[in-house]
Amino acid sequence: AQRVTQPEKLLSVFKGAPVELKCNYSYSGSPELFWYVQYSRQRLQLLLRHISRESIKGFTADLNKGETSFHLKKPFAQEEDSAMYYCALNYGGSQGNLIFGKGTKLSVKP
Amino acid sequence: DAGVIQSPRHEVTEMGQEVTLRCKPISGHDYLFWYRQTMMRGLELLIYFNNNVPIDDSGMPEDRFSAKMPNASFSTLKIQPSEPRDSAVYFCASRGGGLSFTDTQYFGPGTRLTVL
Repeated sequence: AQRVTQPEKLLSVFKGAPVELKCNYSYSGSPELFWYVQYSRQRLQLLLRHISRESIKGFTADLNKGETSFHLKKPFAQEEDSAMYYCALNYGGSQGNLIFGKGTKLSVKP
Repeated sequence: DAGVIQSPRHEVTEMGQEVTLRCKPISGHDYLFWYRQTMMRGLELLIYFNNNVPIDDSGMPEDRFSAKMPNASFSTLKIQPSEPRDSAVYFCASRGGGLSFTDTQYFGPGTRLTVL
């Protein structure tokens, strides 16, 4: 069965430090992975998707099929990056159904 | 566009009462999803609709939960009777039905439900 695991509930770093939020998945098909972010008092929104190979707000994520991982990285964290981050896997093909990890709360300290 | 709209934003009720949560998807979106978020289980898909038709309700926890989508611009999630363990944040999301299967889901602000 499909599964998304985010092993860290909370990640705390200092401003300017590198940050890596871990995501591992289990899926028998060809994975499509996303990172969603929820800032304080805002709605959940898409941050980036692996298929686009994009960098958003300095964040990147590379799909590693060998390690079944899709870790989110940023070389220099900013205070405004503090938020909840959710890794999600599309298991529904064209239906676009998503299964989410339980989320990691990133806290960037000044 | 105001995005996905949910009401109420907060709901406090007593055990045994009926609760109805409402969602207005983004105009033109063909898919609508209902999620429940708790500390223990994270974000779980409850049910989703395509063109107003329920496609998969396997995530609905039990018969006390029901969802409807009478038209393209409105959906409800009803809990009857409600129980304290139903306390959670309930999100609605919608997505376009274009050719790109990676079209993103757009989330509403959520309804925080507390059942006493």
